[in-house]
Amino acid sequence: ETGVTQTPRHLVMGMTNKKSLKCEQHLGHNAMYWYKQSAKKPLELMFVYNFKEQTENNSVPSRFSPECPNSSHLFLHLHTLQPEDSALYLCASSQGTSGGAGTDTQYFGPGTRLTVL
Amino acid sequence: AQSVTQLGSHVSVSEGALVLLRCNYSSSVPPYLFWYVQYPNQGLQLLLKYTSAATLVKGINGFEAEFKKSETSFHLTKPSAHMSDAAEYFCAVSFYNNNDMRFGAGTRLTVKP
Repeated sequence: ETGVTQTPRHLVMGMTNKKSLKCEQHLGHNAMYWYKQSAKKPLELMFVYNFKEQTENNSVPSRFSPECPNSSHLFLHLHTLQPEDSALYLCASSQGTSGGAGTDTQYFGPGTRLTVL
Repeated sequence: AQSVTQLGSHVSVSEGALVLLRCNYSSSVPPYLFWYVQYPNQGLQLLLKYTSAATLVKGINGFEAEFKKSETSFHLTKPSAHMSDAAEYFCAVSFYNNNDMRFGAGTRLTVKP
């Protein structure tokens, strides 16, 4: 596997279910990101991990819970979601530095298409 | 707060015609600017980025963009469109010590034969 992989690619869940999205990067990067992509809206940054520490949480509801056990893996745990949470969830990674991180190129996975019934 | 605005959610050009996708940014400090492309059922891929070096930036697939501070713009161009350029294009902005990249709403490019 190369680049950034995401599993599953498609997920359908009910509002009472608990599921997890997985992201793995094979690029030796130290920063990882979760984005939400909804139709007709800009990409929304949800969470950022830099060297396994969460550095950003853009007012995301607590029904989304991230986990970063090491610099190669990132999870997004989902529970009691709402239909409006249906979207494409994208994971990305970048080199990650203590300074100058803004210049980093982010490498994206193909996304998980989530449908909440 | 920093942000980007992409003018036109949908642009249609004929094959061989000039491609121009518009992006304006809002920032009180020097920005770093990016263009990403997303093909159907795929993640985003970097086309090019501006990080305060040359104002004219060349990217992959024949695309280029020019940073114009006076106009707060970073428009993406390609002299001659190809059918394979049909995709969604995103402009994004970030800053030196900040992982918080902000994306525009995207522009869908259609290329007609």
